[in-house]
Amino acid sequence: AQKITQTQPGMFVQEKEAVTLDCTYDTSDPSYGLFWYKQPSSGEMIFLIYQGSYDQQNATEGRYSLNFQKARKSANLVISASQLGDSAMYFCAMREQQTGANNLFFGTGTRLTVIP
Amino acid sequence: EAGVAQSPRYKIIEKRQSVAFWCNPISGHATLYWYQQILGQGPKLLIQFQNNGVVDDSQLPKDRFSAERLKGVDSTLKIQPAKLEDSAVYLCASSLDGTGVGEKLFFGSGTQLSVL
Repeated sequence: AQKITQTQPGMFVQEKEAVTLDCTYDTSDPSYGLFWYKQPSSGEMIFLIYQGSYDQQNATEGRYSLNFQKARKSANLVISASQLGDSAMYFCAMREQQTGANNLFFGTGTRLTVIP
Repeated sequence: EAGVAQSPRYKIIEKRQSVAFWCNPISGHATLYWYQQILGQGPKLLIQFQNNGVVDDSQLPKDRFSAERLKGVDSTLKIQPAKLEDSAVYLCASSLDGTGVGEKLFFGSGTQLSVL
Protein backbone atom coordinates (compact mmCIF):
# COMPACT_ATOMS: atom_id res chain seq x y z
CA ALA A 1 0.00 0.00 0.00
CA GLN A 2 1.13 3.51 -0.75
CA LYS A 3 2.22 5.37 2.33
CA ILE A 4 1.65 8.80 0.74
CA THR A 5 -0.99 9.54 -1.88
CA GLN A 6 -1.21 12.74 -3.87
CA THR A 7 -4.15 12.49 -6.23
CA GLN A 8 -3.66 15.76 -8.11
CA PRO A 9 -1.01 15.41 -10.83
CA GLY A 10 -1.46 19.06 -11.77
CA MET A 11 -3.15 22.16 -10.38
CA PHE A 12 -3.66 25.67 -11.72
CA VAL A 13 -4.23 28.77 -9.61
CA GLN A 14 -4.64 32.43 -10.41
CA GLU A 15 -1.99 34.73 -9.01
CA LYS A 16 -2.93 36.10 -5.56
CA GLU A 17 -5.52 33.35 -5.02
CA ALA A 18 -5.23 30.52 -2.47
CA VAL A 19 -4.76 26.88 -3.47
CA THR A 20 -4.97 23.57 -1.62
CA LEU A 21 -2.79 20.61 -2.53
CA ASP A 22 -4.08 17.28 -1.27
CA CYS A 23 -2.16 14.60 0.59
CA THR A 24 -3.37 11.47 2.34
CA TYR A 25 -1.16 9.06 4.23
CA ASP A 26 -1.25 5.55 5.58
CA THR A 27 0.42 4.45 8.79
CA SER A 28 -0.33 2.46 11.92
CA ASP A 29 2.46 4.17 13.85
CA PRO A 30 1.10 6.67 16.41
CA SER A 31 4.29 8.72 16.10
CA TYR A 32 5.02 10.17 12.69
CA GLY A 33 5.92 13.40 10.97
CA LEU A 34 4.52 14.94 7.81
CA PHE A 35 6.47 17.23 5.51
CA TRP A 36 5.88 19.28 2.40
CA TYR A 37 8.70 20.02 -0.01
CA LYS A 38 8.79 22.24 -3.08
CA GLN A 39 10.85 21.26 -6.11
CA PRO A 40 11.32 24.06 -8.68
CA SER A 41 12.72 23.37 -12.12
CA SER A 42 16.24 23.77 -10.71
CA GLY A 43 15.75 20.38 -9.05
CA GLU A 44 16.48 21.17 -5.42
CA MET A 45 13.94 19.98 -2.84
CA ILE A 46 13.07 22.90 -0.56
CA PHE A 47 11.50 22.26 2.84
CA LEU A 48 8.25 24.17 3.35
CA ILE A 49 6.42 22.96 6.44
CA TYR A 50 6.28 20.19 9.04
CA GLN A 51 3.48 18.69 11.15
CA GLY A 52 4.02 16.17 13.94
CA SER A 53 1.37 13.57 14.68
CA TYR A 54 1.01 14.79 18.25
CA ASP A 55 0.84 18.47 17.37
CA GLN A 56 -2.49 19.96 18.42
CA GLN A 57 -2.32 22.99 16.18
CA ASN A 58 -2.06 23.08 12.40
CA ALA A 59 1.40 24.13 11.29
CA THR A 60 1.91 27.48 9.58
CA GLU A 61 4.97 28.99 7.91
CA GLY A 62 4.32 32.35 6.31
CA ARG A 63 2.00 31.82 3.32
CA TYR A 64 2.01 28.05 3.87
CA SER A 65 -0.30 26.24 6.23
CA LEU A 66 -0.98 22.57 6.73
CA ASN A 67 -4.56 21.42 7.16
CA PHE A 68 -4.00 18.37 9.37
CA GLN A 69 -7.00 16.06 9.78
CA LYS A 70 -5.68 13.13 11.77
CA ALA A 71 -8.81 10.98 11.72
CA ARG A 72 -8.99 11.27 7.94
CA LYS A 73 -5.22 10.81 7.62
CA SER A 74 -4.90 13.87 5.47
CA ALA A 75 -2.31 16.64 5.49
CA ASN A 76 -3.24 19.15 2.83
CA LEU A 77 -0.98 22.09 2.01
CA VAL A 78 -2.64 25.48 1.67
CA ILE A 79 -0.76 28.23 -0.13
CA SER A 80 -2.30 31.66 0.31
CA ALA A 81 -1.81 34.63 -2.02
CA SER A 82 -0.12 32.59 -4.75
CA GLN A 83 2.87 34.09 -6.52
CA LEU A 84 4.39 33.27 -9.90
CA GLY A 85 7.42 31.87 -8.08
CA ASP A 86 5.21 29.23 -6.47
CA SER A 87 5.03 27.37 -9.79
CA ALA A 88 6.82 24.09 -9.05
CA MET A 89 6.34 20.44 -8.07
CA TYR A 90 5.12 19.91 -4.52
CA PHE A 91 5.79 16.70 -2.61
CA CYS A 92 4.17 15.43 0.55
CA ALA A 93 6.32 13.11 2.65
CA MET A 94 6.11 11.12 5.88
CA ARG A 95 8.51 9.69 8.40
CA GLU A 96 7.49 6.99 10.91
CA GLN A 97 9.04 6.40 14.32
CA GLN A 98 8.61 2.62 14.10
CA THR A 99 10.99 2.38 11.15
CA GLY A 100 13.64 4.10 13.23
CA ALA A 101 12.70 7.45 11.72
CA ASN A 102 15.13 6.68 8.93
CA ASN A 103 13.21 6.86 5.71
CA LEU A 104 11.23 9.79 4.38
CA PHE A 105 8.49 8.37 2.13
CA PHE A 106 7.44 10.71 -0.67
CA GLY A 107 4.26 10.92 -2.72
CA THR A 108 4.26 11.28 -6.49
CA GLY A 109 3.89 15.04 -6.34
CA THR A 110 1.58 17.75 -7.66
CA ARG A 111 2.68 20.22 -10.32
CA LEU A 112 1.36 23.67 -9.45
CA THR A 113 1.15 26.34 -12.13
CA VAL A 114 0.39 29.92 -11.12
CA ILE A 115 -1.32 31.91 -13.85
CA PRO A 116 -0.68 35.66 -14.07
CA GLU B 1 25.78 28.60 5.55
CA ALA B 2 26.60 26.51 2.49
CA GLY B 3 23.99 24.00 1.38
CA VAL B 4 24.40 20.45 0.13
CA ALA B 5 26.73 20.38 -2.85
CA GLN B 6 26.46 17.81 -5.62
CA SER B 7 28.34 17.20 -8.83
CA PRO B 8 28.11 16.76 -11.70
CA ARG B 9 24.86 18.52 -12.48
CA TYR B 10 24.22 16.43 -15.59
CA LYS B 11 25.68 13.20 -16.92
CA ILE B 12 24.99 11.29 -20.12
CA ILE B 13 26.42 7.79 -20.52
CA GLU B 14 25.77 4.69 -22.56
CA LYS B 15 24.40 1.54 -21.00
CA ARG B 16 26.97 -0.73 -19.41
CA GLN B 17 29.25 2.23 -18.67
CA SER B 18 30.04 3.30 -15.14
CA VAL B 19 29.32 6.64 -13.47
CA ALA B 20 29.99 8.29 -10.13
CA PHE B 21 28.26 11.08 -8.28
CA TRP B 22 29.71 13.17 -5.49
CA CYS B 23 28.02 14.85 -2.53
CA ASN B 24 29.26 17.21 0.17
CA PRO B 25 26.69 17.63 2.97
CA ILE B 26 26.08 20.64 5.17
CA SER B 27 28.90 21.05 7.65
CA GLY B 28 28.18 19.29 10.93
CA HIS B 29 25.42 17.06 9.56
CA ALA B 30 25.98 13.49 10.67
CA THR B 31 23.41 11.87 8.40
CA LEU B 32 23.64 11.67 4.62
CA TYR B 33 21.07 10.22 2.23
CA TRP B 34 21.05 9.30 -1.45
CA TYR B 35 17.68 9.34 -3.19
CA GLN B 36 16.72 8.27 -6.70
CA GLN B 37 13.97 10.25 -8.41
CA ILE B 38 12.61 8.73 -11.61
CA LEU B 39 10.67 11.09 -13.87
CA GLY B 40 7.10 11.51 -12.65
CA GLN B 41 7.76 9.92 -9.27
CA GLY B 42 8.74 11.04 -5.82
CA PRO B 43 12.26 10.45 -4.52
CA LYS B 44 13.06 6.96 -3.24
CA LEU B 45 15.73 6.31 -0.63
CA LEU B 46 18.72 4.33 -1.87
CA ILE B 47 21.05 4.51 1.11
CA GLN B 48 21.44 6.35 4.41
CA PHE B 49 24.70 6.94 6.26
CA GLN B 50 25.14 7.93 9.90
CA ASN B 51 28.63 9.41 10.01
CA ASN B 52 30.55 6.85 7.95
CA GLY B 53 28.35 3.84 8.77
CA VAL B 54 25.44 2.54 6.71
CA VAL B 55 22.06 2.78 8.48
CA ASP B 56 19.78 1.63 5.66
CA ASP B 57 20.67 0.30 2.23
CA SER B 58 17.70 -2.02 1.78
CA GLN B 59 16.61 -0.32 -1.48
CA LEU B 60 20.07 -0.12 -3.03
CA PRO B 61 20.54 -2.50 -6.01
CA LYS B 62 23.81 -3.83 -4.68
CA ASP B 63 24.70 -5.77 -7.81
CA ARG B 64 25.37 -2.50 -9.62
CA PHE B 65 25.17 0.37 -7.11
CA SER B 66 27.72 1.15 -4.43
CA ALA B 67 28.19 4.07 -2.09
CA GLU B 68 30.74 5.15 0.44
CA ARG B 69 31.17 7.96 2.89
CA LEU B 70 34.77 8.18 3.89
CA LYS B 71 35.65 10.10 7.07
CA GLY B 72 31.96 10.74 7.66
CA VAL B 73 31.80 13.79 5.38
CA ASP B 74 31.73 13.54 1.56
CA SER B 75 30.02 10.68 -0.18
CA THR B 76 30.24 9.02 -3.57
CA LEU B 77 27.53 6.98 -5.27
CA LYS B 78 28.62 4.70 -8.13
CA ILE B 79 26.71 2.75 -10.75
CA GLN B 80 28.52 -0.01 -12.61
CA PRO B 81 27.33 -1.11 -15.12
CA ALA B 82 24.51 1.33 -15.82
CA LYS B 83 21.18 0.22 -17.26
CA LEU B 84 18.58 2.23 -19.15
CA GLU B 85 16.26 2.17 -16.15
CA ASP B 86 18.88 3.99 -14.06
CA SER B 87 18.02 7.22 -15.89
CA ALA B 88 16.86 9.48 -13.07
CA VAL B 89 17.80 12.39 -10.87
CA TYR B 90 20.05 11.39 -7.98
CA LEU B 91 19.50 13.60 -4.98
CA CYS B 92 21.78 13.86 -2.00
CA ALA B 93 20.43 15.12 1.31
CA SER B 94 21.78 15.64 4.80
CA SER B 95 20.32 16.12 8.26
CA LEU B 96 21.69 16.91 11.68
CA ASP B 97 21.66 13.50 13.35
CA GLY B 98 19.06 11.37 11.57
CA THR B 99 16.90 10.74 14.60
CA GLY B 100 13.36 11.85 15.37
CA VAL B 101 10.39 12.00 13.08
CA GLY B 102 10.62 15.78 12.79
CA GLU B 103 14.16 16.14 11.57
CA LYS B 104 14.38 18.14 8.35
CA LEU B 105 16.34 16.93 5.36
CA PHE B 106 18.27 19.45 3.30
CA PHE B 107 18.70 18.52 -0.35
CA GLY B 108 21.21 19.31 -3.03
CA SER B 109 20.24 20.23 -6.60
CA GLY B 110 20.74 16.67 -7.79
CA THR B 111 22.54 14.97 -10.66
CA GLN B 112 20.43 14.25 -13.72
CA LEU B 113 21.60 10.97 -15.26
CA SER B 114 20.63 9.89 -18.78
CA VAL B 115 21.58 6.37 -19.84
CA LEU B 116 21.40 5.84 -23.61
